[in-house]
Amino acid sequence: GEDVEQSLFLSVREGDSSVINCTYTDSSSTYLYWYKQEPGAGLQLLTYIFSNMDMKQDQRLTVLLNKKDKHLSLRIADTQTGDSAIYFCAEMTGGYNKLIFGAGTRLAVHP
Amino acid sequence: DAGVIQSPRHEVTEMGQEVTLRCKPISGHNSLFWYRQTMMRGLELLIYFNNNVPIDDSGMPEDRFSAKMPNASFSTLKIQPSEPRDSAVYFCASSNDRGYEQYFGPGTRLTVT
Repeated sequence: GEDVEQSLFLSVREGDSSVINCTYTDSSSTYLYWYKQEPGAGLQLLTYIFSNMDMKQDQRLTVLLNKKDKHLSLRIADTQTGDSAIYFCAEMTGGYNKLIFGAGTRLAVHP
Repeated sequence: DAGVIQSPRHEVTEMGQEVTLRCKPISGHNSLFWYRQTMMRGLELLIYFNNNVPIDDSGMPEDRFSAKMPNASFSTLKIQPSEPRDSAVYFCASSNDRGYEQYFGPGTRLTVT
């Protein structure tokens, strides 16, 4: 079946790196995503990775994919207070562009 | 581009009333998705349209929910009659032909009392 799991909460100090982890179950997933949701707002597409890649870097964001273990991570370098939000992991599956989301990880950045 | 536009942003209604949520996808996008977000169930896909045709409505909770896409620039999600358990944030998202970048609207927060 399709399932995406992530830890619910992460607290980091401003300036440190944050690492948010996610596991998924569908080995046929084509793309894996990270979305960011700030309070009262919609989901913002942060980055995504094709399933035949193992790493993607975009400015402060680094995505690592371990397809064997079905594990995805998002590293945010030099975390800022503006990074405080809920981060959703999602997999694209189902033969068309269907996204299955995890429950979201709330990132809290403190001074 | 203006992004995905949803209206209203907030809706408060009484149980039994009809509710209509509206969505304008990004111009040129031919896929449209309706999602519902609740604390208990997280984000759930309700229905997916491609080229204005419903492709997958298996996530629609029950017959009280219906969705239409009369043209490429407009979609509605209707709940009739509404119930308190329908209270949630409803998101619309759209994507283009390549399909792997879904962009979300700001959502409609629905409260049914």
